Amino acid sequence: DQQVKQNSPSLSVQEGRISILNCDYTNSMFDYFLWYKKYPAEGPTFLISISSIKDKNEDGRFTVFLNKSAKHLSLHIVPSQPGDSAVYFCAASKYGGATNKLIFGTGTLLAVQP
Amino acid sequence: EAGVAQSPRYKIIEKRQSVAFWCNPISGHATLYWYQQILGQGPKLLIQFQNNGVVDDSQLPKDRFSAERLKGVDSTLKIQPAKLEDSAVYLCASSLSRNMDNEQFFGPGTRLTVL
Repeated sequence: DQQVKQNSPSLSVQEGRISILNCDYTNSMFDYFLWYKKYPAEGPTFLISISSIKDKNEDGRFTVFLNKSAKHLSLHIVPSQPGDSAVYFCAASKYGGATNKLIFGTGTLLAVQP
Repeated sequence: EAGVAQSPRYKIIEKRQSVAFWCNPISGHATLYWYQQILGQGPKLLIQFQNNGVVDDSQLPKDRFSAERLKGVDSTLKIQPAKLEDSAVYLCASSLSRNMDNEQFFGPGTRLTVL
């Protein structure tokens, strides 16, 4: 039962263009969403988050959009840089729950071509 | 600030053998997590500690996996006996508390191969 889905295993974009990574979730109890970035042989690192009371959160080149009715979120990276090449994981949780357990998607490998 | 430390980084064992992984969280972090990441999948939470107490171990295969966090600092995760399907990267993470606003910081992981 995959509650968080990233249907694109990989994405390739040109340097300077926009990268759009997508994520869908099935559990309507989720109200907090995060994106993590992972380089090879390293652990994931937190990138950006959004709570369900918002539909957009921006941090520099990174913007996350949330569409609650569609149970869909996306990460936009503008402009994309070669150093952004990594695996991106979407994660979901229930804010204020008994635990802050994260449910991760399967990841999308982003390759930014110089 | 030192990050989350894990050892060993790589381990190869035969099925039915035992293995243990060690994690040292960021100093002062009360919450510690062990995740399993199978190739092609996202990390899956195995167990979560708050200080030295277990908060969530619902996805820990308790017939073969065990974990402890003595004194609320370092933690060890053990597999006994290992199966082929246990081949994965085992990630340790820590956070200041269970508050969702507190970021989870991940270690580099231990890559386990079971032959």
